[in-house]
Amino acid sequence: EVQLVESGGGLVKPGGSLRLSCAASGLTFSNAWMSWVRRAPGKGLEWVGRIKSKSDGGTTDHAAPVKGRFTISRDDSKNTLYLQMNSLKTEDTAVYYCTTGDCSGDGCYRLVKYFQHWGQGTLVTVSS
Amino acid sequence: DIVMTQSPDSLAVSLGERATINCKSSQSVLYSSNNKNYLGWYQQKPGQPPKLLIYWASTRESGVPDRFSGSGSGTDFTLTISSLQAEDVAVYYCQQYYTTPYTFGQGTKLEIK
Repeated sequence: EVQLVESGGGLVKPGGSLRLSCAASGLTFSNAWMSWVRRAPGKGLEWVGRIKSKSDGGTTDHAAPVKGRFTISRDDSKNTLYLQMNSLKTEDTAVYYCTTGDCSGDGCYRLVKYFQHWGQGTLVTVSS
Repeated sequence: DIVMTQSPDSLAVSLGERATINCKSSQSVLYSSNNKNYLGWYQQKPGQPPKLLIYWASTRESGVPDRFSGSGSGTDFTLTISSLQAEDVAVYYCQQYYTTPYTFGQGTKLEIK
């Protein structure tokens, strides 16, 4: 069974930093393309960004609202995904989810880009 | 960026009746080389993470009841719940994964009438 467990959320002041982690199990993490998605209070889902597997280049894409402030990274030796959040704004307040698809085989994530597995989320509150 | 627009924003349907949610993308999400629509539908209940219902616009995820179905191609898509059950009360989102940034619709809140 695939499990994704986020941690690291909390209360931070505007302009501050926070690092979220997502511990993965039950899948071949090194092959997985991983994404972060958030949901602000009273708002809808928003994709934050993605990191490809190292075998597919390990590159990242970030949504425009967070580009230059947030950085996604991964440690395949620890089966862990990270989201480094700097220069936080009040509008970054949200529940942050890590998510991925479910597939096996070389290169399968080039096709399986939908999100089958989700963590329970971690709440980030940016407030003075 | 591809803009996803859902309609309606909210919907109230009687138990056992049909519920229909529409989703329109600002550009086609049909990839011609494999004839697949890069469109998914998710359900989110309060306090829970989203749950994938449909991918490739019409393929039901394993374990999802067959009262949920997806249709459409190109830029216009529909999620249909054939006979609404009490446990279907939730917010529903469409999402395109054709290109980054992956984008979601604004959500449709489904309630019981």
